[in-house]
Amino acid sequence: NAGVTQTPKFRILKIGQSMTLQCTQDMNHNYMYWYRQDPGMGLKLIYYSVGAGITDKGEVPNGYNVSRSTTEDFPLRLELAAPSQTSVYFCASSYSVFDRNSPLHFGNGTRLTVT
Amino acid sequence: QKEVEQNSGPLSVPEGAIASLNCTYSDRVSQSFFWYRQYSGKSPELIMSIYSNGDKEDGRFTAQLNKASQYVSLLIRDSQPSDSATYLCAVNAGNTPLVFGKGTRLSVIA
Repeated sequence: NAGVTQTPKFRILKIGQSMTLQCTQDMNHNYMYWYRQDPGMGLKLIYYSVGAGITDKGEVPNGYNVSRSTTEDFPLRLELAAPSQTSVYFCASSYSVFDRNSPLHFGNGTRLTVT
Repeated sequence: QKEVEQNSGPLSVPEGAIASLNCTYSDRVSQSFFWYRQYSGKSPELIMSIYSNGDKEDGRFTAQLNKASQYVSLLIRDSQPSDSATYLCAVNAGNTPLVFGKGTRLSVIA
């Protein structure tokens, strides 16, 4: 059981370039999330999705876009990369936010540097 | 804006001692509380959850919740060097994604 799979693991972008961070889960979870983590900081929610075709903004959505065409996939798109987007990005999934026994399952993260 | 506050540390404790990690939260309707452990360069992993006031024990870990004071803590007994990590407190109000604190870095000295 692969769980949550993120690709790539590392990426260096030049300012103004674009890229898509891929996230796939095989647990049939309804909820998927993108968090970013800056050095010495906690996780900040970028976007989340409660099911295919439904997405919503989190705390720090500016500069990002998402789509959820299938239950399994939740890609994060960076348009016009900026140095402020240098961070570690974690994708996560859960069965529900209403179920207390439904913890977050995290991917291994993507370390992105924008120079 | 829902906030979760933690002392960033580092918190240094000798091997075998009790490590006490604290977290306060701003949203009074918060219902579920979680502690995640994150080793350097790795993704967070869930170690404890608590929903009711009082203590919840799991092995060497005890989570404590006081909703009146909006305070949740994690005690690690008989701390081991392998417990050295960042501990993230996370809170949710039942219908929204988890809000995480900045984490407390714990260092257990052998």
